[in-house]
Amino acid sequence: NAGVTQTPKFQVLKTGQSMTLQCAQDMNHNSMYWYRQDPGMGLRLIYYSASEGTTDKGEVPNGYNVSRLNKREFSLRLESAAPSQTSVYFCASSSGRANYGYTFGSGTRLTVV
Amino acid sequence: GENVEQHPSTLSVQEGDSAVIKCTYSDSASNYFPWYKQELGKGPQLIIDIRSNVGEKKDQRIAVTLNKTAKHFSLHITETQPEDSAVYFCAATDQTGANNLFFGTGTRLTVIP
Repeated sequence: NAGVTQTPKFQVLKTGQSMTLQCAQDMNHNSMYWYRQDPGMGLRLIYYSASEGTTDKGEVPNGYNVSRLNKREFSLRLESAAPSQTSVYFCASSSGRANYGYTFGSGTRLTVV
Repeated sequence: GENVEQHPSTLSVQEGDSAVIKCTYSDSASNYFPWYKQELGKGPQLIIDIRSNVGEKKDQRIAVTLNKTAKHFSLHITETQPEDSAVYFCAATDQTGANNLFFGTGTRLTVIP
């Protein structure tokens, strides 16, 4: 099925551990995004990649790094996880043309203890 | 960046009644306003969007209105059904042209059978 695939779906980390969240899309979209979702705060943009080979910071980039591996894949890395990074993480993609909606993945629920 | 406010945070309606969710935005240059529906355990899904060159758009039981002068837009769901129960998010683009979306904090809609 066409869409955005995120792995893993669930993850528990200890404070200070590192991990990479994977995202892949098969819609030939140019732009990809990483959001975090916290109760009462909606979806906040962490990083985005407007096109293959470029990445930029969003609203809440501290503590994260990203890699646009190729047109299909966009990964999010936590180098040293903190309890404040407990959240649900969503990857999304879009054609990149102005005023077109996003397609979201099903999310990764991350708990940092 | 763009600031999007959404009200109410929770909404309960009887099946068959109408539901209205309202959002305001801060950036007068914003010109794209999508609405997303998020069901439990899933990623947000685009249900309707409106661009700044129109004031209203309708798709079966859902409609969106936009008032650019007042910088607010609303989602209207008529003849609500239990399957409409979900969290709804409004969003608006920023002025950078990067097609980044800024989201409201969400409205949890419950349709009571």
